[in-house]
Amino acid sequence: SAVISQKPSRDICQRGTSLTIQCQVDSQVTMMFWYRQQPGQSLTLIATANQGSEATYESGFVIDKFPISRPNLTFSTLTVSNMSPEDSSIYLCSVGTTTDTQYFGPGTRLTVL
Amino acid sequence: GENVEQHPSTLSVQEGDSAVIKCTYSDSASNYFPWYKQELGKGPQLIIDIRSNVGEKKDQRIAVTLNKTAKHFSLHITETQPEDSAVYFCAAGIPSNTGKLIFGQGTTLQVKP
Repeated sequence: SAVISQKPSRDICQRGTSLTIQCQVDSQVTMMFWYRQQPGQSLTLIATANQGSEATYESGFVIDKFPISRPNLTFSTLTVSNMSPEDSSIYLCSVGTTTDTQYFGPGTRLTVL
Repeated sequence: GENVEQHPSTLSVQEGDSAVIKCTYSDSASNYFPWYKQELGKGPQLIIDIRSNVGEKKDQRIAVTLNKTAKHFSLHITETQPEDSAVYFCAAGIPSNTGKLIFGQGTTLQVKP
């Protein structure tokens, strides 16, 4: 399985600011995804990060709020823009193999005051 | 779209007993069903998965069964240990080339020593 790291592991931010979360994989992967996990809840897919092109967003998530970059096959970033307390969540990146299997990073725990 | 229902939401067992978590899915074309374990403060860890061409799969104390006709699948943990205490998520793979997963609501398993 792939080894996935995320930075930062946690952060406390003020409302109205933005935070960029990094996801690094130790090998080249076809697919990278970003999820949100609100407190005590399940995982909700935000978007698929596409290498060299715009991300594909799920219903309810927009690029202006969650811009995503994926400059190569091992790295992606998610920015949470103009944050409000409702954005307090765990943000997870995952990577997909050609056999559908997905592996998750350790997550970024975000608190917005 | 695909919807995954997971039960129970909480489960408490005595050490050494078995635990069973059940999930149902709505899209009969779904063909991939992973299970994840999430410990406090960590990202989800893939523990076992099954594909629609298989009815059962076992890995030591963990087994998963799939009933395609009824569109449900279950996780079975035997001889539970305190370290099995965690939140467990089932998921269903959308039958496409997108690699997307739809997650159940999660089950908090507590194993009492």
